[in-house]
Amino acid sequence: DTAVSQTPKYLVTQMGNDKSIKCEQNLGHDTMYWYKQDSKKFLKIMFSYNNKELIINETVPNRFSPKSPDKAHLNLHINSLELGDSAVYFCASSQGSGANPYEQYFGPGTRLTVT
Amino acid sequence: LAKTTQPISMDSYEGQEVNITCSHNNIATNDYITWYQQFPSQGPRFIIQGYKTKVTNEVASLFIPADRKSSTLSLPRVSLSDTAVYYCLVGDMYNNNDMRFGAGTRLTVKP
Repeated sequence: DTAVSQTPKYLVTQMGNDKSIKCEQNLGHDTMYWYKQDSKKFLKIMFSYNNKELIINETVPNRFSPKSPDKAHLNLHINSLELGDSAVYFCASSQGSGANPYEQYFGPGTRLTVT
Repeated sequence: LAKTTQPISMDSYEGQEVNITCSHNNIATNDYITWYQQFPSQGPRFIIQGYKTKVTNEVASLFIPADRKSSTLSLPRVSLSDTAVYYCLVGDMYNNNDMRFGAGTRLTVKP
């Protein structure tokens, strides 16, 4: 069974569109994350979220918003897509408070291409 | 968060032991050292974590000297499938779950 899954794997869309990427984890973890890996392969955290707290990286534009329907899911919504949003987006999870937050389990990534 | 410095790339051959060193001169007292591995077109994978001295698991060993200003990830007898990017991260995981990935070290294992 896949621990952290993301859909879609590839997403090609035009500037100005709104899109969503879905993430699901079946590990029973309490905390989930979204990361962005750009063309230079730098991996940057965008959000961390558990049922109590959303922590937003201050550099993330407010066009990006995480939505969590339940503990096992953290979807990423992106409004008014821009060319610079093209990247690979990774979802990850960790056990949560009291456990090691640096031991995270990553999904396979979603390659977003904005044309 | 402590800044980390790693070699950009390394080459090795199958069967050799590979040591990747990470410098973190301004590591704080509560900081832990964590290493991740990322294969092409996959998400990063947690390898090992330590605070001081030596940690070993089924995948790798992590050596941390007494001053903790550097750490060395040791991969025994690498194979072609160990070709990946290896990231060193340093942070206070009990007060900050914000992991900061650097550029990593691209390890290429040759036959």
